[in-house]
Amino acid sequence: DAGVIQSPRHEVTEMGQEVTLRCKPISGHDYLFWYRQTMMRGLELLIYFNNNVPIDDSGMPEDRFSAKMPNASFSTLKIQPSEPRDSAVYFCASSLRGRPLHFGNGTRLTVT
Amino acid sequence: AQRVTQPEKLLSVFKGAPVELKCNYSYSGSPELFWYVQYSRQRLQLLLRHISRESIKGFTADLNKGETSFHLKKPFAQEEDSAMYYCALAAGNQFYFGTGTSLTVIP
Repeated sequence: DAGVIQSPRHEVTEMGQEVTLRCKPISGHDYLFWYRQTMMRGLELLIYFNNNVPIDDSGMPEDRFSAKMPNASFSTLKIQPSEPRDSAVYFCASSLRGRPLHFGNGTRLTVT
Repeated sequence: AQRVTQPEKLLSVFKGAPVELKCNYSYSGSPELFWYVQYSRQRLQLLLRHISRESIKGFTADLNKGETSFHLKKPFAQEEDSAMYYCALAAGNQFYFGTGTSLTVIP
């Protein structure tokens, strides 16, 4: 298996623009998680899905962030409009029955 | 509430020296703990899980319920061990991560 696949690897955008991050979980996994990693706060859970259904989105910073999982093999995290403080590495992770987590390579987002 | 604490943000040791990365947790249920490692600009990878009681790359970690700790240890550090290490607690369907410890092994 190729593992969890995220795209793009790097994204540089200007403040106010819409950003869409993509994730393909490991085939057969029933959980999908979105994390944000910053130097100051470490790894923060943004949202997670079980069988494509959002279970807990309490970590989503504000309404500018949204996530979808239209099917078992694809999820998106969207930021609209983006702000410089959103600059971080965003990781997607998947798991079978909750553990252990398998992480993607991450998307490094820079908002100028 | 669930919480994972890694008290050291940065840790430097000399090659060949023992290394211990500290992790303490707070959880009212039966804990399931993990160590993840992240090499420079790579994905987080599972290093250890306490239920496996295994040694990976020379690292071991023992769950101490009395002290609510799950410290990661290696008797002789190698340069390739330089990385970011995260302790994680699985509670229900969620993982709670510590803030991480950046380990540097000095040649």
